[in-house]
Amino acid sequence: SQTIHQWPATLVQPVGSPLSLECTVEGTSNPNLYWYRQAAGRGLQLLFYSIGIDQISSEVPQNLSASRPQDRQFILSSKKLLLSDSGFYLCAWSVPEGTDTQYFGPGTRLTVL
Amino acid sequence: AQSVSQHNHHVILSEAASLELGCNYSYGGTVNLFWYVQYPGQHLQLLLKYFSGDPLVKGIKGFEAEFIKSKFSFNLRKPSVQWSDTAEYFCAVNGASGTYKYIFGTGTRLKVLA
Repeated sequence: SQTIHQWPATLVQPVGSPLSLECTVEGTSNPNLYWYRQAAGRGLQLLFYSIGIDQISSEVPQNLSASRPQDRQFILSSKKLLLSDSGFYLCAWSVPEGTDTQYFGPGTRLTVL
Repeated sequence: AQSVSQHNHHVILSEAASLELGCNYSYGGTVNLFWYVQYPGQHLQLLLKYFSGDPLVKGIKGFEAEFIKSKFSFNLRKPSVQWSDTAEYFCAVNGASGTYKYIFGTGTRLKVLA
């Protein structure tokens, strides 16, 4: 069966520090991968999605970037965190056809102080 | 612009009450529609989905949703809620023609009183 992992589960970082959040998927090949930010009262905001290695689309211009160094690994990064980057970050995957169910990871709670 | 609107942000019900959560979308072309649920402390998970066919779809735990194309709506219903239905519910849409972009609503927090 397929599983999706995210780490760390929680993170507290100072403003201006770098960020690296990791997501890995097991039990499937060539998944579509997604990064979302969930903010209270604002739902899930799609940040990035990827349909293959080195194929990443950015949905929202911002202080973040994403990379996919391996087929089932998706990384969310920032060089310098802002206070507004605080939030709950969710990784998700779907089958390659892309229009079916998304499966979500447990999320990372990021607090920028 | 593509969007999903969930009009009820917070809903409080007593057990055995009926539930209807509204979802309206704006999206060009044929769509796939989803309801996801996030129980306290758990992952976001699929509740039900509509791709085509019968506009009344049934999901897990007695939930159902009806797609009304003319109203651009996909409302979620349950005849009799339970305390265990306390959760946050998200409506989502994506294009049926192969786009990978999902649009989520802002969510509805449901609290069911025992």
